[in-house]
Amino acid sequence: KAGVTQTPRYLIKTRGQQVTLSCSPISGHRSVSWYQQTPGQGLQFLFEYFSETQRNKGNFPGRFSGRQFSNSRSEMNVSTLELGDSALYLCASSLGGATTEAFFGQGTRLTVV
Amino acid sequence: SQQGEEDPQALSIQEGENATMNCSYKTSINNLQWYRQNSGRGLVHLILIRSNEREKHSGRLRVTLDTSKKSSSLLITASRAADTASYFCATDNNAGNMLTFGGGTRLMVKP
Repeated sequence: KAGVTQTPRYLIKTRGQQVTLSCSPISGHRSVSWYQQTPGQGLQFLFEYFSETQRNKGNFPGRFSGRQFSNSRSEMNVSTLELGDSALYLCASSLGGATTEAFFGQGTRLTVV
Repeated sequence: SQQGEEDPQALSIQEGENATMNCSYKTSINNLQWYRQNSGRGLVHLILIRSNEREKHSGRLRVTLDTSKKSSSLLITASRAADTASYFCATDNNAGNMLTFGGGTRLMVKP
């Protein structure tokens, strides 16, 4: 069974630009969550999508958005990039019910210059 | 914001020794999961323990959960150099894939 696939693996963007990251979950998983990891703040939850609906949302500004498609693939978008958005962005997929394991992709490392 | 604290923040041991990491959290939970991360790469799922379980084993891993103290521990027995990584606990207190992570423990196992 293929794992969680995130693309691209690395990105360099300029301040003010926007970026779209992609996540393909494990086959059969309907829940996709996104996390931001930085040295200063650690791992922080961004949002979760389940069956194309945002089910949970973390405490991030509206510049961070996401969506999920009917095949459970998900994208997250960050608009008007700031230097502080430089981070490792991780996607996790799960079956979506309570008490189920979440499996992570390798992440997309975004650098904003 | 992070759910809790992990202790210690860093741990250095010799190959063959046991490593114990602790995690505390603040709110009630459905389950607690432990993950490993190598050098800023993706998180590898190690073990999940449900709120009604007290102990769980998986290979060289032993996890305990004390909901009255809101704490968990991860024991790695007979450690190997390949166990060198950061270890995170994550809690789920909601029906959904929404995890709250601790700050992590950086484990170094010296050959």
